Amino acid sequence: DAGVIQSPRHEVTEMGQEVTLRCKPISGHNSLFWYRQTMMRGLELLIYFNNNVPIDDSGMPEDRFSAKMPNASFSTLKIQPSEPRDSAVYFCASSFLGTLYSEQYFGPGTRLTVT
Amino acid sequence: SQELEQSPQSLIVQEGKNLTINCTSSKTLYGLYWYKQKYGEGLIFLMMLQKGGEEKSHEKITAKLDEKKQQSSLHITASQPSHAGIYLCGADHGSGNTGKLIFGQGTTLQVKP
Repeated sequence: DAGVIQSPRHEVTEMGQEVTLRCKPISGHNSLFWYRQTMMRGLELLIYFNNNVPIDDSGMPEDRFSAKMPNASFSTLKIQPSEPRDSAVYFCASSFLGTLYSEQYFGPGTRLTVT
Repeated sequence: SQELEQSPQSLIVQEGKNLTINCTSSKTLYGLYWYKQKYGEGLIFLMMLQKGGEEKSHEKITAKLDEKKQQSSLHITASQPSHAGIYLCGADHGSGNTGKLIFGQGTTLQVKP
């Protein structure tokens, strides 16, 4: 199994530009999570999906952030317009939510720098 | 997250020494997950605890859950340079399996050869 795949691994963009981060979860998993990690705030959950449906987006910072999951094998996190304070490492994770408890498997992350 | 406090924030130990990292929750724990992260990489799942008093081991790493204290500890025996990294605990505070985890700030471990 290839694990959770994220692209790009690094993204440098100018303030005001649109940024799209991509994630391919592990085949067979039915839940997908987007996290943001910074030194100041640690690892924060932004949004998660179950069976392609957004369940909890209370962690999404503001309307500039949006996430979609059009099918079970693909998800995007979009920031429009981007700002310097969005600079962080963004992780995608997937799990199989069916048993009582389930561990999440993380991708390698996308390091975003907004100048 | 203040809901989950890890201590210490950082730790430097000599190779071969034992160490313990603690994770304390301000809310009821329904599941506690331990992960390890190396700089610039994603999180690697280590262990999951779900019952009070439960203890799990993998190689030289042992994790315990004290449900009454809402606390978990991660103990490494005879540390090696390969143990270096950031250890994060994640808690499921929901009564059902929502899959939603809140993470602590992490404990950075350095092991001196």
